[in-house]
Amino acid sequence: AQTVTQSQPEMSVQEAETVTLSCTYDTSESDYYLFWYKQPPSRQMILVIRQEAYKQQNATENRFSVNFQKAAKSFSLKISDSQLGDAAMYFCAYRSGVMDSNYQLIWGAGTKLIIKP
Amino acid sequence: ETGVTQTPRHLVMGMTNKKSLKCEQHLGHNAMYWYKQSAKKPLELMFVYNFKEQTENNSVPSRFSPECPNSSHLFLHLHTLQPEDSALYLCASSQNTGLSNEQFFGPGTRLTVL
Repeated sequence: AQTVTQSQPEMSVQEAETVTLSCTYDTSESDYYLFWYKQPPSRQMILVIRQEAYKQQNATENRFSVNFQKAAKSFSLKISDSQLGDAAMYFCAYRSGVMDSNYQLIWGAGTKLIIKP
Repeated sequence: ETGVTQTPRHLVMGMTNKKSLKCEQHLGHNAMYWYKQSAKKPLELMFVYNFKEQTENNSVPSRFSPECPNSSHLFLHLHTLQPEDSALYLCASSQNTGLSNEQFFGPGTRLTVL
């Protein structure tokens, strides 16, 4: 079974600096998607960025980018120029490409990101 | 209303009560999900509905009973709950259950079982 591990329960960063959140996963599959979701305090979970396993190029969305290392099964999220609004729980998630998995998301336990003003 | 809404936002109930959680999505999606979110644990998928048909039940105890009358509405009926069922219950929707589909989440219902 697939697993997703976020080894950092909490991270803090100074405003305007760069922070990297770690995520590793375990799978024997070659076709899958990886996601980072953000859950601000008392607000809805939203998708930050996604990566397709067959794409070698790392996904980027404005200040958010990933470092996808398929062989190492690593999928870290880099946030550049951190802003106060980035403070949230960040969840890494894996989605199998195998049809009979019903494409379920497998979630990590989350990393709480604190932004210091 | 836009996106995914959930009511109530907070619920306190005794172990013998019966209550229901409601989720509504205004995105024209066909798949809806119930998740349980407990502190410092990964989200647990409970149920999946695709085109009103239940496609997944992740060994959820029968004291949780889902209902999906149409593609826009999803309910979670609760009865005889236990204190360990206290958690944030999240509803989500997506276009369908396909591989690349983004899930859109509601704000959740914070459930406390006394």
